[in-house]
Amino acid sequence: NAGVTQTPKFQVLKTGQSMTLQCAQDMNHEYMSWYRQDPGMGLRLIHYSVGAGITDQGEVPNGYNVSRSTTEDFPLRLLSAAPSQTSVYFCASAGVKGTDTQYFGPGTRLTVL
Amino acid sequence: DAKTTQPPSMDCAEGRAANLPCNHSTISGNEYVYWYRQIHSQGPQYIIHGLKNNETNEMASLIITEDRKSSTLILPHATLRDTAVYYCIVKEKLTFGTGTRLTIIP
Repeated sequence: NAGVTQTPKFQVLKTGQSMTLQCAQDMNHEYMSWYRQDPGMGLRLIHYSVGAGITDQGEVPNGYNVSRSTTEDFPLRLLSAAPSQTSVYFCASAGVKGTDTQYFGPGTRLTVL
Repeated sequence: DAKTTQPPSMDCAEGRAANLPCNHSTISGNEYVYWYRQIHSQGPQYIIHGLKNNETNEMASLIITEDRKSSTLILPHATLRDTAVYYCIVKEKLTFGTGTRLTIIP
């Protein structure tokens, strides 16, 4: 099992550009989520999904869109990048039972100029 | 949602037990306590979780007070590779907070 994979590892964007961060998992997990981590800070939840076709907002959803067409994939779209979105983005997956723990991907380091 | 309070940083001598406290005084009866750690800039790694009983696995032990308002993560014999940021969370799938930066001193 590859676990949770994220692409790209690094990305530089100009203000106003759009892009999609990819996340995939091969553990047949129903739950997937996206976090951002700013320098010296903890992780903040952006969006999450409890299964294909179901998504919901987390703590900091503005400026981001998600969709979940398959169990395996959960892409995060930046609609119009802003410097405030410079951060490290982590994707995670878990089963949906109450005690299922999360498995995290290696992260995507995004810089918006 | 229950929030947690952790000291921002701690040091521990290599080979000694590292005891990391967490306060979660507003935890509800069915919420589990989870611990994760983040080494350098990697994705967080699950360590252990518990509801009301003490738990132990190959990585650590978790001691939860009887009133469940606080807990302690114990790394029994800390090594340099345990240097990381440790997060205590009580709602599994929400915000992690800033955690405790644990530094193991040689």
